[in-house]
Amino acid sequence: DAKTTQPTSMDCAEGRAANLPCNHSTISGNEYVYWYRQIHSQGPQYIIHGLKNNETNEMASLIITEDRKSSTLILPHATLRDTAVYYCIVRPFYKLSFGAGTTVTVRA
Amino acid sequence: DTGVSQNPRHKITKRGQNVTFRCDPISEHNRLYWYRQTLGQGPEFLTYFQNEAQLEKSRLLSDRFSAERPKGSFSTLEIQRTEQGDSAMYLCASSILRNNGKSHGYTFGSGTRLTVV
Repeated sequence: DAKTTQPTSMDCAEGRAANLPCNHSTISGNEYVYWYRQIHSQGPQYIIHGLKNNETNEMASLIITEDRKSSTLILPHATLRDTAVYYCIVRPFYKLSFGAGTTVTVRA
Repeated sequence: DTGVSQNPRHKITKRGQNVTFRCDPISEHNRLYWYRQTLGQGPEFLTYFQNEAQLEKSRLLSDRFSAERPKGSFSTLEIQRTEQGDSAMYLCASSILRNNGKSHGYTFGSGTRLTVV
């Protein structure tokens, strides 16, 4: 699996957009970009995934650069309940390999 | 269907004892995964099943660990002769492998927290 690099932590103001960067410069052509988050004491929760095109769902948007070497997860209106560890993962189809993720703290 | 269910939620055991955890995946999901997570770290892959077949095991899965999925539905993870280093959250996830060969979006359970004293 391609290695990802994420900031260790970031703060965000409630109601503002949170932009979470991820570098994956060694990604190969068949590897998808996945984002999961883990709220304290719970299992990871799927957020979104993409291959080449930008994606949007009810939770977030995923922006993937044209060369696919980096991506950004956007939480459009962060709430206190979005405080969690966010994991950026690149993989072929079946196996997820988690790094340390980004600890996002949303502040009132 | 309420998602992936794991039991028990918490387990405290004495060193040297055997423990068994159970995972009930989403009913139509044919793939089932076990992960282990220690404090401050991301989950680490242990093993996965497609239906009843165990297709991959991590090097983390020592010979004291065994996982089964006998009928392709629920799965058990057993740890024999537990050690303090086995203390962790054990997470189960499931997904569906579609006919196009793609499998997206794992659903994780809430995990079983094991403490070995």
